[in-house]
Amino acid sequence: GAVVSQHPSWVICKSGTSVKIECRSLDFQATTMFWYRQFPKQSLMLMATSNEGSKATYEQGVEKDKFLINHASLTLSTLTVTSAHPEDSSFYICSIPQAGAFFGQGTRLTVV
Amino acid sequence: QKEVEQNSGPLSVPEGAIASLNCTYSDRGSQSFFWYRQYSGKSPELIMSIYSNGDKEDGRFTAQLNKASQYVSLLIRDSQPSDSATYLCAVKSSNSGYALNFGKGTSLLVTP
Repeated sequence: GAVVSQHPSWVICKSGTSVKIECRSLDFQATTMFWYRQFPKQSLMLMATSNEGSKATYEQGVEKDKFLINHASLTLSTLTVTSAHPEDSSFYICSIPQAGAFFGQGTRLTVV
Repeated sequence: QKEVEQNSGPLSVPEGAIASLNCTYSDRGSQSFFWYRQYSGKSPELIMSIYSNGDKEDGRFTAQLNKASQYVSLLIRDSQPSDSATYLCAVKSSNSGYALNFGKGTSLLVTP
């Protein structure tokens, strides 16, 4: 069964609105979770490292005020895309680091 | 910039043949190496992990690692049409926490 549950699997939103994506670790206590983004025919690019009880660490070029990450418990991390624009349309995937990496199902975000 | 390089393909092999997928990496401090399979619109699923030089076999899959040459490969024996997917090589470095650095992936097509 799934080790990491991500919700929603797809979402369409209007430009300028915000979207929240949830990532739950079902079998492990995850003090760390990772958020990746994948554009069509591109690789997974690490956006940020979510740290339970502390601030997330963002990769270079990722706007921390636009991509808000909250890791309030050992099993849940959320990514909120604020003031979404069409260029934010992508496949967002979370993972936990155990055993290589267990990935969530991914969220296909389309901003119209 | 730590890079993971893969030939994007597509690599086309007939059913029953051996598919050979290659990956090179730039960071000599890399310690853990992974192969993932990703179907279109889905999140990656772990196929193999390898940590030391040599070969590691699991069913129809064999991973090969050569740290001196900074090269890792995946062989798929008796290829099946269901193996058609994008194969991602991922590397974990000693100083990257637990985040993975992904290649762009090789598209594999197994023809009946």
